[in-house]
Amino acid sequence: EVQLVESGGGLAQPGRSLRLSCAASGFTFEDYAMHWVRQVPGKGLEWLSAITWDSANIAYADSVKGRFTISRDNAKNSLYLQMNSLRVEDTALYYCAKDISRLGVPIGGFEDWGQGTLVAVSS
Amino acid sequence: QSALTQPASVSGSPGQSITISCTGTNSDVVTYNLVSWYQQHPGKAPKLMIYEGIKRPSGVSSRFSGSKSGNTASLTISGLQAEDEADYYCCSYVGNSPWVFGGGTKLTVL
Repeated sequence: EVQLVESGGGLAQPGRSLRLSCAASGFTFEDYAMHWVRQVPGKGLEWLSAITWDSANIAYADSVKGRFTISRDNAKNSLYLQMNSLRVEDTALYYCAKDISRLGVPIGGFEDWGQGTLVAVSS
Repeated sequence: QSALTQPASVSGSPGQSITISCTGTNSDVVTYNLVSWYQQHPGKAPKLMIYEGIKRPSGVSSRFSGSKSGNTASLTISGLQAEDEADYYCCSYVGNSPWVFGGGTKLTVL
């Protein structure tokens, strides 16, 4: 059974940093592209970032480009999101998601999701 | 800036069919044909229902189907059931950003 477990969320002040982690199990993590998606409670979904299985290609939404950095450690079956220069508008539930495409170009079919980790940015 | 437009809400009675549309502002939907659809119940993570416009992941009911006409993708749910009541989101590859979600549609089963 695929499991994705996010951690690292919490309360941060504007301008500070947080690092989110996503622990993966139940599948061959190194074979799949991964994504981060967030959702303000009660609002819609926002795609944030993607990383290919081999970390060769990385993409970001304009809203986080230059502030957030995605990375992965295939040896540890883990995905990360380093969030710097946090803003109040970054307050949301952050999900990691597994792409449905194996060993290929990610196609944005987010096949499996974690339960999310909540980030609150406030002074 | 690419965007996907969905109706805010749709409704239907049990047994009926409903369709949720997802229209791109640019030619993203027709160009890339990489639209996916997600179902989200309150307090739950989203669930993939359709990917690459028309494909159903294993385990998703055949009552859910995807289609495309021009730059508009659609999700059709046939034989509506009470458990289908949820929020539905489309998502498309748009090249530059490169993925964007629609604003979501609340489905009410009457």
